[in-house]
Amino acid sequence: ETGVTQTPRHLVMGMTNKKSLKCEQHLGHNAMYWYKQSAKKPLELMFVYNFKEQTENNSVPSRFSPECPNSSHLFLHLHTLQPEDSALYLCASSSTAAGGSTDTQYFGPGTRLTVL
Amino acid sequence: DQQVKQNSPSLSVQEGRISILNCDYTNSMFDYFLWYKKYPAEGPTFLISISSIKDKNEDGRFTVFLNKSAKHLSLHIVPSQPGDSAVYFCAASRTTSGTYKYIFGTGTRLKVLA
Repeated sequence: ETGVTQTPRHLVMGMTNKKSLKCEQHLGHNAMYWYKQSAKKPLELMFVYNFKEQTENNSVPSRFSPECPNSSHLFLHLHTLQPEDSALYLCASSSTAAGGSTDTQYFGPGTRLTVL
Repeated sequence: DQQVKQNSPSLSVQEGRISILNCDYTNSMFDYFLWYKKYPAEGPTFLISISSIKDKNEDGRFTVFLNKSAKHLSLHIVPSQPGDSAVYFCAASRTTSGTYKYIFGTGTRLKVLA
């Protein structure tokens, strides 16, 4: 496995369910990101982890809970979501989170989430 | 308020011709810009980037031009190929603040006609 992988690729859940999205990167990077892409909107940064520490929470509702047990894995735990949370959730990684040309972000294929 | 704008949601170009995708930004503090390409059912793939100290960066068929005074960048694809058909996103960031935040545009869907 190479690059950034995400599972599951598709997820349908009810508003009362609890589910988790998983991201794994095989690039030796130290920073990982969660993005949300809603229809006809730009990618929105949700969370950033740098060396396993959360360095950014972009005013994300608490029904989204990230977890980064190590630099290679990132989870997004979901509970009591709303239909408007239906979107494509993308994970990315970069060498570090310092910014600049050495920290280009590489994306996974995304999880298409539908909340009923 | 969208800081990075891609005003053309779609573009069709004949195979072999030049594709020009445009992106405008409002924040003069942005100093690093990227283009990503996205195929259906895949994540965005990094294509090319440019720092604000340059006005042009080339990689094979892809060239990015930056006009800082106009706060405008463009991606040129020459010659265009059917495999280039995808959604293209531009992104901008402020590296001087040590930030990792990319601000993305809404994307332009390019269709290259055979």
